[in-house]
Amino acid sequence: DIQMTQSPFTLSASVGDRVTITCRASQSISTWLAWYQQKPGKAPKFLIYKASNLESGVPSRFNGSGSGTEFTLTISSLQPDDSATYYCQQYNSFPVFGQGTKLEIK
Amino acid sequence: QVQLVQSETEVKKPGASVKVSCKASGYSFTNYGISWVRQAPGQGLEWMGWINVYTGNTNNARKFQGRVTMTTETSTSTAYMELMSLRSDDTGVYYCARDQLGIRGVMDHWGQGTLVTVSS
Repeated sequence: DIQMTQSPFTLSASVGDRVTITCRASQSISTWLAWYQQKPGKAPKFLIYKASNLESGVPSRFNGSGSGTEFTLTISSLQPDDSATYYCQQYNSFPVFGQGTKLEIK
Repeated sequence: QVQLVQSETEVKKPGASVKVSCKASGYSFTNYGISWVRQAPGQGLEWMGWINVYTGNTNNARKFQGRVTMTTETSTSTAYMELMSLRSDDTGVYYCARDQLGIRGVMDHWGQGTLVTVSS
């Protein structure tokens, strides 16, 4: 089974900062990768598909990149509303999520 | 707008079964799949399985094979997930999500979640 590993586990940054979350797959998944945002007590929200395609309505400060085994989610200018846990998920085979990265605003 | 509305909280005893419903609206139900995702308390997301609503074909994660059944009722645009032989570690929030027909894992709209508590 493909394993997905995110880093860091937690991240603390200030409003306006540029932040990057990394996601690594245990084997190549081409660009079959999605990103989700989850706030406490809420369902996940779909952000990005096929590694770099922004879902409609998602702010342009979110950017996804990568292929093969290494991927990144970058938030170009952090906003207070971005405080959440972020998950990557591969769909090259049966879907598998990363363990999540908790992003806190200082 | 696309909406997925799930059934209410369930409390079950070990060994019992639970059936969670997910009523879809705002789109053509048979043009998409439905995935089910579980989240244990304080933990991450775990994909359980997927149903192609058009054909009824299912794929389940190996961990749940033999214990989970996914079905749909197209007349009411409702999907169901039944989990059998419940254990305490099945406690968590269960989500349905709209997925694709041809590929599993692009979950663009989610239900609000159903809390299932398994306790004696």
